[in-house]
Amino acid sequence: NAGVTQTPKFRVLKTGQSMTLLCAQDMNHEYMYWYRQDPGMGLRLIHYSVGEGTTAKGEVPDGYNVSRLKKQNFLLGLESAAPSQTSVYFCASSQYREIYNEQFFGPGTRLTVL
Amino acid sequence: GNSVTQMEGPVTLSEEAFLTINCTYTATGYPSLFWYVQYPGEGLQLLLKATKADDKGSNKGFEATYRKETTSFHLEKGSVQVSDSAVYFCALSGGYGGSQGNLIFGKGTKLSVKP
Repeated sequence: NAGVTQTPKFRVLKTGQSMTLLCAQDMNHEYMYWYRQDPGMGLRLIHYSVGEGTTAKGEVPDGYNVSRLKKQNFLLGLESAAPSQTSVYFCASSQYREIYNEQFFGPGTRLTVL
Repeated sequence: GNSVTQMEGPVTLSEEAFLTINCTYTATGYPSLFWYVQYPGEGLQLLLKATKADDKGSNKGFEATYRKETTSFHLEKGSVQVSDSAVYFCALSGGYGGSQGNLIFGKGTKLSVKP
């Protein structure tokens, strides 16, 4: 049981390049989330999904797109990377959406945009 | 909107010292409160939680009590170990106006425990 996995672990991009981060979970969770973590800022929600084929904006969605074509996968895309998107990206999943439910996090992807 | 404020770090303690990390929140209604921990090079994992006022969450020797009157959820441990060195995040979910199921995090407090 791998839990939540993220691919890749590290990536360096040049400004204007595009890339896709992959998140996969094997817990059959309905809900999935993408966060970014910046020094002194905590984690901020980028986008989330409440089920296969559905996505919604979080706190900081600009410059990102997401897709949830399969229940177990949640993709985060950067169409034209900017230095401000240098960050550590975490994916998470949860079984339910009740406010008391735990989210399970992946190990993170460290992205640097030059 | 809802928010979480936690004490600035880093916090450096000697092994077996007492730990307190302060966390206060702003939210109307009845949010759930969480402490997540991030060990070096890893993702976050749930440490403990409390879902209603006066609840005490506990795990691995850590405790936190949901105090609605002071809007606080301070993390405590009586005797820290080197293995407790990590970044600790206070978070909330829910409350009036809060998107159900979405977490709002504090900025994190880095704890270093010296032998």
